[in-house]
Amino acid sequence: DVKVTQSSRYLVKRTGEKVFLECVQDMDHENMFWYRQDPGLGLRLIYFSYDVKMKEKGDIPEGYSVSREKKERFSLILESASTNQTSMYLCASSVTGTGLYGYTFGSGTRLTVV
Amino acid sequence: QKEVEQNSGPLSVPEGAIASLNCTYSDRGSQSFFWYRQYSGKSPELIMFIYSNGDKEDGRFTAQLNKASQYVSLLIRDSQPSDSATYLCAVTTGGSYIPTFGRGTSLIVHP
Repeated sequence: DVKVTQSSRYLVKRTGEKVFLECVQDMDHENMFWYRQDPGLGLRLIYFSYDVKMKEKGDIPEGYSVSREKKERFSLILESASTNQTSMYLCASSVTGTGLYGYTFGSGTRLTVV
Repeated sequence: QKEVEQNSGPLSVPEGAIASLNCTYSDRGSQSFFWYRQYSGKSPELIMFIYSNGDKEDGRFTAQLNKASQYVSLLIRDSQPSDSATYLCAVTTGGSYIPTFGRGTSLIVHP
């Protein structure tokens, strides 16, 4: 079964810590995405990547960075965690093209910053 | 600004009834339309996609697209309590593979 795997289901970090969220997909998808989801705000795109070592800012990139050294792995980095980054983080992947086939999401990481 | 609008609900239907979930979008150039189901505390799961005007059926689910009126609907026949979830509508515009998501409609199917 094809999968997008996020390394942690729950994380608790302290304010100011550097936080790494890992995402791995086994579908050979070109495109990978990081979203955060908050009640009442829906899904918001943080960063995306359409190829290895390529990255593009989404709608809310401030306070985040990403790394894509290999096709299957896309990491989200919180440079200095803050309480307003407490959220559900969702990784997704898709095949290249014109968005015909939709996303496959990972199971999500619920991050709490204290 | 591309917008995708959904009634937040909750939409409450009895078991066995037809649940009708609606989504409107603002960009007339939109080409691909998706429905995701998200259980509480879980991640979204793609359940349907549709590209052409008309209906597309998959089991108990039917997606309906009307590009002239700029809406897409999801019908769930013979609703079950296990269908209780939030349903997200997503729309992509030609040339883009990044969808615009609606905020979702909460569906409750009561026994």
